[in-house]
Formats: sequence, structure tokens, C-alpha cells
Amino acid sequence: GAGVSQTPSNKVTEKGKYVELRCDPISGHTALYWYRQSLGQGPEFLIYFQGTGAADDSGLPNDRFFAVRPEGSVSTLKIQRTERGDSAVYLCASSLNSGDTQYFGPGTRLTVL
Amino acid sequence: AQSVAQPEDQVNVAEGNPLTVKCTYSVSGNPYLFWYVQYPNRGLQFLLKYITGDNLVKGSYGFEAEFNKSQTSFHLKKPSALVSDSALYFCAVRDRAGTYKYIFGTGTRLKVLA
Repeated sequence: GAGVSQTPSNKVTEKGKYVELRCDPISGHTALYWYRQSLGQGPEFLIYFQGTGAADDSGLPNDRFFAVRPEGSVSTLKIQRTERGDSAVYLCASSLNSGDTQYFGPGTRLTVL
Repeated sequence: AQSVAQPEDQVNVAEGNPLTVKCTYSVSGNPYLFWYVQYPNRGLQFLLKYITGDNLVKGSYGFEAEFNKSQTSFHLKKPSALVSDSALYFCAVRDRAGTYKYIFGTGTRLKVLA
């Protein structure tokens, strides 16, 4: 079946701009996670949703980052006033239920010039 | 606090030889442990996990990992390496009593030489 999909695959923006990154989880998966992976590093947790609600947002670096999942399926990660340090690959994962194995999408590579 | 260490940035092994990719962890309680593989321009792929039970876990593509509680390790192994196993490997841990986020290591690049 279809895996986790993320769009766009690449996003180039200028410092100070607003961006939205989209994640389509595996159908029927109730849990959804966002991670950020910088070059040479492992994925770093940002936020986790169970259904529509953010159950753990302890990894969001500051209030420029926000994520929503209004219908408990697709999620959007929103970054305001982007900075060059935000450049990274943003990964989305989903799992059937909280605690089950997480399955990752291919990521969105964000470049802030 | 949870943490994962992958002490080797790169491991080189000849095709047909056994391979080991090391991982040690630290959690406050009992861990869930995972291995993922990342091929170029592709997402992380799940290989195997330890939840409970037998300390030797078998996963995809002939990989296995051994949970060692006393050494807090979860090394990834394969009896006979293939050139196609060359990729970036990540170990991850979740505290069973904590939230559902994974803590990842920094990754180990495996290079299998023909």
C-alpha cells in the first residue's frame, strides 16, 4: 500500500519568508510525528500528534514553528520568518497507534537562502 | 534523559564478511529499541525492533540485533554482508514509560567493499 508522502520534496525560500510543509500519513494511522534532520545528524524530534491533537510538542525549537492536523490525517508544519539555520530535511512519520513502529516519509529538503 | 550513541561514523567491511554496527543507549526505564536504514535520496526504512522477549531480534534483509541490558547495547549484525547493504544506519530508542518520540543516534555509514 501507499506509504507516507511529503510535499514538496524540495523547498527553497528566502530568509524571513513563511513556509508550509505537508505530510500525508499512511491511511488509518492515528499517530503522526515530525522530525528534523540536519546534515550529518540523526533525526531530531519536533512534535507528535495523536489524532487531531498535539500530544507532545516539546521538540519545537521556538514559536516560529507550528504544526496542525485538523482532521486527524494530513498534517502541515508551518515555519514563520524562516532563518538560515532552519535549513534541514524535515521528516514525517506515522504509526498505527501511539507506540507502534513509526514509518517515515521521504522528507522535504528545506533550504533557506 | 534519553540518549543514543553510535560510536563509529563509518564501518567498512568486505562483501561476504560478517558486519556489526554498534549502538549503546541510556534511558531511565526499560527501552524500546529500533534500527532504521537510510539509502541516498530515500526515507528511513524500518529494519527491526526490540520490545520485549528474546534478546536476539531478527529483521529485514537478514539483519539481526542483540539486546544486552547489562551493557545497554543494541548492536546490529549480519552474518554475510552484501554490497547493497551499503547505506546509513540509525539506532533509535524510546523510553517505554515516556512519550512516543524516538531519540536517534547520529548514524553510522556502512560501506561494503566488493
